[in-house]
Amino acid sequence: AQTVTQSQPEMSVQEAETVTLSCTYDTSESDYYLFWYKQPPSRQMILVIRQEAYKQQNATENRFSVNFQKAAKSFSLKISDSQLGDAAMYFCAYRGSQNAGNNRKLIWGLGTSLAVNP
Amino acid sequence: NAGVTQTPKFRVLKTGQSMTLLCAQDMNHEYMYWYRQDPGMGLRLIHYSVGEGTTAKGEVPDGYNVSRLKKQNFLLGLESAAPSQTSVYFCASSYRRTNEKLFFGSGTQLSVL
Repeated sequence: AQTVTQSQPEMSVQEAETVTLSCTYDTSESDYYLFWYKQPPSRQMILVIRQEAYKQQNATENRFSVNFQKAAKSFSLKISDSQLGDAAMYFCAYRGSQNAGNNRKLIWGLGTSLAVNP
Repeated sequence: NAGVTQTPKFRVLKTGQSMTLLCAQDMNHEYMYWYRQDPGMGLRLIHYSVGEGTTAKGEVPDGYNVSRLKKQNFLLGLESAAPSQTSVYFCASSYRRTNEKLFFGSGTQLSVL
């Protein structure tokens, strides 16, 4: 079974600095999708960034980028120029590529709580 | 667009009471999900639906029932609430493709005394 591990329960960063959140996963599949979701204090989860495993190029969304290392099964999130509004819980998630059965489901990590210090 | 709307936002129940959580989405999504979020346990899938009239069990379905009579609505029922069901419940929806992102509601804080 697939698993997702976020080894950093809590992280902190100074405003305007860069921070990297770690995520590793375990799978026997060759094709899959990876996601980072943000959960601010308002509770509503929103997608930050996603990566298709078949793409070698790392995904980027404005100040957010990933370091996807397929062989190492690592999917870290880098937040550049951190802002106070980035303070939130960040969840890493995995989904298999086959759109049937269990592969419809996302496998979630336990989250990393990010604090941004002014 | 309202997106995904959950009602109610907060609820307190006594053990043994029943209730229904309502999730409504206005994006014409095929897939809908119910999750619960507990400290230290992340998000766990309760039930999900891949289309109107269909439902399936997730990781932790016991004690819950669901129905999807209309495409835009996904109901989560607790027939006899237990303290172990104290949690924050999230509804989410998405299009059919596997790389599609989930759209989440803002959650329901449920306490069972």
